Amino acid sequence: SQKIEQNSEALNIQEGKTATLTCNYTNYSPAYLQWYRQDPGRGPVFLLLIRENEKEKRKERLKVTFDTTLKQSLFHITASQPADSATYLCALDTGRRALTFGSGTRLQVQP
Amino acid sequence: GAGVSQSPSNKVTEKGKDVELRCDPISGHTALYWYRQRLGQGLEFLIYFQGNSAPDKSGLPSDRFSAERTGESVSTLTIQRTQQEDSAVYLCASSSKDPGDLYGYTFGSGTRLTVV
Repeated sequence: SQKIEQNSEALNIQEGKTATLTCNYTNYSPAYLQWYRQDPGRGPVFLLLIRENEKEKRKERLKVTFDTTLKQSLFHITASQPADSATYLCALDTGRRALTFGSGTRLQVQP
Repeated sequence: GAGVSQSPSNKVTEKGKDVELRCDPISGHTALYWYRQRLGQGLEFLIYFQGNSAPDKSGLPSDRFSAERTGESVSTLTIQRTQQEDSAVYLCASSSKDPGDLYGYTFGSGTRLTVV
């Protein structure tokens, strides 16, 4: 079956450390993958897109990698801050004309 | 407008009643999406509109759900004979490209529907 998996357990890290979130998928061959941030009571906010022919993409303190062989994307936040605490969702192009979203991983950055 | 606007922000309805949820996309965005998010869950695709093309209704969970879009503007999602399992946040998003691959989606804040 087709699946997108993100760690359902919350990730707790100390301020200043690098947070790494994982998105694994099976039985898809996405042309691209996106990451979103969602705060409680709000809709998701687009952060980054990475294409299948790109290994890595950076934006300020954010870095995304995309390994189509492992069928995995890693999302890194360097020098994390309490304000980075939120749920992070990955979303894939799965051949349908709308994105398919993972269930998200909650990140908690402790001061 | 500056963002995607959804109304109402909260709706409590009795089981069996019909509800209508509204979405105002960003002006000029040709693509519009509806998703459902149950408490603590991910986003579940419902329906997608792109310009004047036939909508992709493949995510609608039952024939109690329907959606309309007028041109490239407002969309309404209607749920008939609501059930308690319909309780969720209904999120609308729009994008300037199909399927928003370069720019991502802009989401509204959602309508929280509670069926009692």
